[in-house]
Amino acid sequence: SQELEQSPQSLIVQEGKNLTINCTSSKTLYGLYWYKQKYGEGLIFLMMLQKGGEEKSHEKITAKLDEKKQQSSLHITASQPSHAGIYLCGADRDNNNDMRFGAGTRLTVKP
Amino acid sequence: DAGITQSPRYKITETGRQVTLMCHQTWSHSYMFWYRQDLGHGLRLIYYSAAADITDKGEVPDGYVVSRSKTENFPLTLESATRSQTSVYFCASTQGANEQFFGPGTRLTVL
Repeated sequence: SQELEQSPQSLIVQEGKNLTINCTSSKTLYGLYWYKQKYGEGLIFLMMLQKGGEEKSHEKITAKLDEKKQQSSLHITASQPSHAGIYLCGADRDNNNDMRFGAGTRLTVKP
Repeated sequence: DAGITQSPRYKITETGRQVTLMCHQTWSHSYMFWYRQDLGHGLRLIYYSAAADITDKGEVPDGYVVSRSKTENFPLTLESATRSQTSVYFCASTQGANEQFFGPGTRLTVL
């Protein structure tokens, strides 16, 4: 079973709509990372969250980490076709770079 | 070229054969990682290395061997390939508790 649970597994939205992807852990996280992957390619780093309650934004993407550091959300505002891809959350299990990833959320944005 | 590269990009082999996947990074990052990505399992850590001559098992190390004689290289060897090792393999590197930079991936098929 995944140590990190992502939801939903897949998401289809109309261009311009907002969406949220969630990542939940049963353990307190030392660091939570969000990556994006286009089909057949490597992962591209989006954001890293380390402190409880932390929130970061880049362009139209906002990521938050809850106070307990067990749940993170990735929110995309006014989605565009360029946002399509697979979003993965990853976490450092023991603060020693032993990383675990969620199964990913496949996002499709319809023009 | 600067960055992180993997070779080969595609490989087809037969059950029982030895296969080595190469990973090279030009940033002199301390940490390097090998992941496999499978449908339904997401990205899983195979092995990682904190520095030359230091390696640690990740989530799914069985059937794999790694070495790190030089900082910039981190080869992954499948000593006797099995069909269950058919997957996409990603190498990554980082300098510390920061974002990981991923290679483009190697698609391995074991017949």
